[in-house]
Amino acid sequence: AQSVTQLDSQVPVFEEAPVELRCNYSSSVSVYLFWYVQYPNQGLQLLLKYLSGSTLVKGINGFEAEFNKSQTSFHLRKPSVHISDTAEYFCAVSRGGYNKLIFGAGTRLAVHP
Amino acid sequence: KAGVTQTPRYLIKTRGQQVTLSCSPISGHRSVSWYQQTPGQGLQFLFEYFSETQRNKGNFPGRFSGRQFSNSRSEMNVSTLELGDSALYLCASSLVAGSDEQFFGPGTRLTVL
Repeated sequence: AQSVTQLDSQVPVFEEAPVELRCNYSSSVSVYLFWYVQYPNQGLQLLLKYLSGSTLVKGINGFEAEFNKSQTSFHLRKPSVHISDTAEYFCAVSRGGYNKLIFGAGTRLAVHP
Repeated sequence: KAGVTQTPRYLIKTRGQQVTLSCSPISGHRSVSWYQQTPGQGLQFLFEYFSETQRNKGNFPGRFSGRQFSNSRSEMNVSTLELGDSALYLCASSLVAGSDEQFFGPGTRLTVL
């Protein structure tokens, strides 16, 4: 079975500051890793994904994440955030070949001017 | 290309009633998955359909059911509604089963009174 832990429920940050949202996972098999973003009253949008290969993954809107197998982590980073990045961010895993996503509890990113 | 559409967007029901939610995947996508999102339990996988067959099922009671039609459109049904069924129900589509990328719809907000 797989599980995902997002270590921070809320992260406040000032505009143009860097941010890191932390995600740890547990699985006995190889998994795919994802970060999704959810804006108010909307569905989920895929930011980036790790399937295999390079451990540094670049996504949309200037976000990137690094897969660390030894620490079973997949932290999301952005060097400079904007007000428009205010949203809820979800880390998720799936087992290769299966569409079932296991989500973390989410991290609410609040960007202040 | 149109995205995933879900109807209705909002729904209010009373305890004991049943409800049917609809999801139209992106054109050409043959796999549809359903998720329930609540403040207490977060995002949880309900089921996945591919080529009109349920491929995977989450840990929900039998009151939750679904189906997929030959045009890949999917419906989910919840019978004998309970207050705890109040949630945002999200549908996601992908080209094939086991795809590494799923596209989410805006969701149906169900309120049970």
